[in-house]
Amino acid sequence: GESVGLHLPTLSVQEGDNSIINCAYSNSASDYFIWYKQESGKGPQFIIDIRSNMDKRQGQRVTVLLNKTVKHLSLQIAATQPGDSAVYFCAENTGGGGADGLTFGKGTHLIIQP
Amino acid sequence: KAGVTQTPRYLIKTRGQQVTLSCSPISGHRSVSWYQQTPGQGLQFLFEYFSETQRNKGNFPGRFSGRQFSNSRSEMNVSTLELGDSALYLCASRTSTLSSYEQYFGPGTRLTVT
Repeated sequence: GESVGLHLPTLSVQEGDNSIINCAYSNSASDYFIWYKQESGKGPQFIIDIRSNMDKRQGQRVTVLLNKTVKHLSLQIAATQPGDSAVYFCAENTGGGGADGLTFGKGTHLIIQP
Repeated sequence: KAGVTQTPRYLIKTRGQQVTLSCSPISGHRSVSWYQQTPGQGLQFLFEYFSETQRNKGNFPGRFSGRQFSNSRSEMNVSTLELGDSALYLCASRTSTLSSYEQYFGPGTRLTVT
């Protein structure tokens, strides 16, 4: 079946550097994408979203890029801080308005090196 | 405003037993969704409730059930527990099923089946 996946299970970056986390999706009909951050012992936290009619969206220190041609989504975190250590995963809306329409990737563990 | 709360946070059960998990959504949120999170499968949708009615259901066996009360609090029940039911169970709330996908997750209940 179609699924959302991430390229790397673990990403290690130096504090202060920029981080890029990637996500590949396979459903070309997906119209909405979300990035979540999950810290240890906590539930996922909404970071940023993007609709399929956009190719870029910026938030505070984060930017999401959407390339529909290759069905690729990325999350860029600027000036990575220790508090950014977490698992990041993307989700795509594969249909409908219900929560069942969201398909989640398995996540990338971002590790910040001092 | 208080976030989504889940009780208990940790639970250990043996095979064959049943378990009930509780979720209190953010005040004013009427939609509550439940997810199962495991390292192998990631986040998988269980069901969504709105105004005491189940709106959507994921691909899980009938041993998994839920309900929502008039105050929007929700419970999920798993009967005849299996080892494979060991997981982090997350609930998430949002204002309505027609609103954005910016749902807010609770910290989860870590269920271990032995």
